[in-house]
Amino acid sequence: DQQVKQNSPSLSVQEGRISILNCDYTNSMFDYFLWYKKYPAEGPTFLISISSIKDKNEDGRFTVFLNKSAKHLSLHIVPSQPGDSAVYFCAASALRTGANNLFFGTGTRLTVIP
Amino acid sequence: DAGITQSPRYKITETGRQVTLMCHQTWSHSYMFWYRQDLGHGLRLIYYSAAADITDKGEVPDGYVVSRSKTENFPLTLESATRSQTSVYFCASSEGHSQPQHFGDGTRLSIL
Repeated sequence: DQQVKQNSPSLSVQEGRISILNCDYTNSMFDYFLWYKKYPAEGPTFLISISSIKDKNEDGRFTVFLNKSAKHLSLHIVPSQPGDSAVYFCAASALRTGANNLFFGTGTRLTVIP
Repeated sequence: DAGITQSPRYKITETGRQVTLMCHQTWSHSYMFWYRQDLGHGLRLIYYSAAADITDKGEVPDGYVVSRSKTENFPLTLESATRSQTSVYFCASSEGHSQPQHFGDGTRLSIL
């Protein structure tokens, strides 16, 4: 049973516009959330994270929003650039249980059109 | 170069064979992890290790064996490979319990 879900397999956005990638989770014990970016034939690269004590975290063009009541998080990329084209994975962990295992979504392929 | 390296990058083997995937990190991170990536499943945790000589099962451990005699190495062994273990395998490490995991570039394993 998938505890972290990314329901959009793909997303296309014009260069310069905003990209919004969404992620839902089911396990209320999750308290640490991450986004990873993956290019073909490479491993996932850590992008940004957020703890459940926050509802927003920003790093340059990347902002992650967390809505705990809806069990939903999103990644905003502004402005989108062609180099952002990759597969984005949402991941979650329940650090409060003592574990730091990551549970991943199935990924969203972002294409930024020049 | 510092980082996390996996070997081999590609491997083809036959059912029933034993195969070992290697993972080496130069950061002296305490935690190391093995994931497999399959279509429709994202990445799923196979085994992880919190320190040398400490390992624990993840979500899909059946058919796999790990060891961690040294902090920097975390090999994954398929003792008798099956076709269902055809996958891309990723190793990761993290400095601490609440730190992000950093991934190697993966091993693509095909079992015929």
